[in-house]
Amino acid sequence: AQKVTQAQTEISVVEKEDVTLDCVYETRDTTYYLFWYKQPPSGELVFLIRRNSFDEQNEISGRYSWNFQKSTSSFNFTITASQVVDSAVYFCALSERKGGSEKLVFGKGTKLTVNP
Amino acid sequence: DTEVTQTPKHLVMGMTNKKSLKCEQHMGHRAMYWYKQKAKKPPELMFVYSYEKLSINESVPSRFSPECPNSSLLNLHLHALQPEDSALYLCASSQDYLAGGMYEQYFGPGTRLTVT
Repeated sequence: AQKVTQAQTEISVVEKEDVTLDCVYETRDTTYYLFWYKQPPSGELVFLIRRNSFDEQNEISGRYSWNFQKSTSSFNFTITASQVVDSAVYFCALSERKGGSEKLVFGKGTKLTVNP
Repeated sequence: DTEVTQTPKHLVMGMTNKKSLKCEQHMGHRAMYWYKQKAKKPPELMFVYSYEKLSINESVPSRFSPECPNSSLLNLHLHALQPEDSALYLCASSQDYLAGGMYEQYFGPGTRLTVT
């Protein structure tokens, strides 16, 4: 079965610091998909990125960047120059086939607090 | 437009009540999901509908009854709930796996349910 481990339960940084959120996954599938979601205090999960197992290129989107390494089964997320608005719980998730559909297996999440 | 709407935002119900949660999307997605999320936990999948047919039921108690009347709507009928069912209920939608791999899910803001 698929498994996602986010070892960091809570991280606290000061604004403008860089922060990396770790995600390690376990799967026996050769084709799979990885995701990151943000859940601010308001409660709605916001999609950040989707990556398939055949695409190991790192991705940058503004202050956000993702490092996907199949060799270590990791998909880490870095926020550069953090801001107070980045305060949220961040979930890493892995796809899992079940029946004729796909489901997400979530990590337990990392709560990020950015202090002014 | 990547919006998923959910009504109501808040719901308080007694253990003998019958109520329904509603979810709607107009992105043309053919996969829709119900999740339950307890405080400080990741979302927990309940049901998946694919092309208006139930494709995954994660052994959810029968007091929760899903319904997908058409490709844009998803309902969750609630009956004889227990206090431990109090949680945030999230709806999501995505392109279906048949479209070519697992796609990102877009989440609604959720319904915060309290069972008294």
